[in-house]
Amino acid sequence: AQSVTQLDSQVPVFEEAPVELRCNYSSSVSVYLFWYVQYPNQGLQLLLKYLSGSTLVESINGFEAEFNKSQTSFHLRKPSVHISDTAEYYCAVSLTGANNLFFGTGTRLTVIP
Amino acid sequence: ETGVTQSPTHLIKTRGQQVTLRCSSQSGHNTVSWYQQALGQGPQFIFQYYREEENGRGNFPPRFSGLQFPNYSSELNVNALELDDSALYLCASSLEPGEGSPLHFGNGTRLTVT
Repeated sequence: AQSVTQLDSQVPVFEEAPVELRCNYSSSVSVYLFWYVQYPNQGLQLLLKYLSGSTLVESINGFEAEFNKSQTSFHLRKPSVHISDTAEYYCAVSLTGANNLFFGTGTRLTVIP
Repeated sequence: ETGVTQSPTHLIKTRGQQVTLRCSSQSGHNTVSWYQQALGQGPQFIFQYYREEENGRGNFPPRFSGLQFPNYSSELNVNALELDDSALYLCASSLEPGEGSPLHFGNGTRLTVT
């Protein structure tokens, strides 16, 4: 069975500081990995995904995540956060060829001015 | 392009009642998935519909059922409501089933069962 662990439920960070949101997954077969962001009172939006190829994937707003198969991790990083990055971030995994996503419990990122 | 819209935004029901939640998918999207997000938890997969047929189901009892219509709208029906059914219900549409097609989520319907 698949599972996703987000190790930090809340991460406060000062504006312009770097941040890393941790995600580990458990699966006995190949998986695809995703990060979704949920702003207050909005639905989830896809931030970035890893399907194959380069293990480092980037989003258009400066976030990046690296797939590490040996450590079964897919941590999300940003070198300098903005106030507007304050949101809930969800890591998710799907089996290759499957129809559904398994989500972690989320990490609330709060950027402090 | 129009996004995914869900109605109603909030709903209060009594234990034992039945509820229907509605979703309008993004135009051209043949696939709709429903997720339940309990307070403080990540979304959990309920089921997926592709071209009006169920195309995968999570660990939810049969009292959770769905319909998908040709006009890109869909419904989630829950019978015999229980207190634990209180959650945010998310609809997500995509062009095709499978991970290569990104999910576009609506803002959800918050259901409270008393």
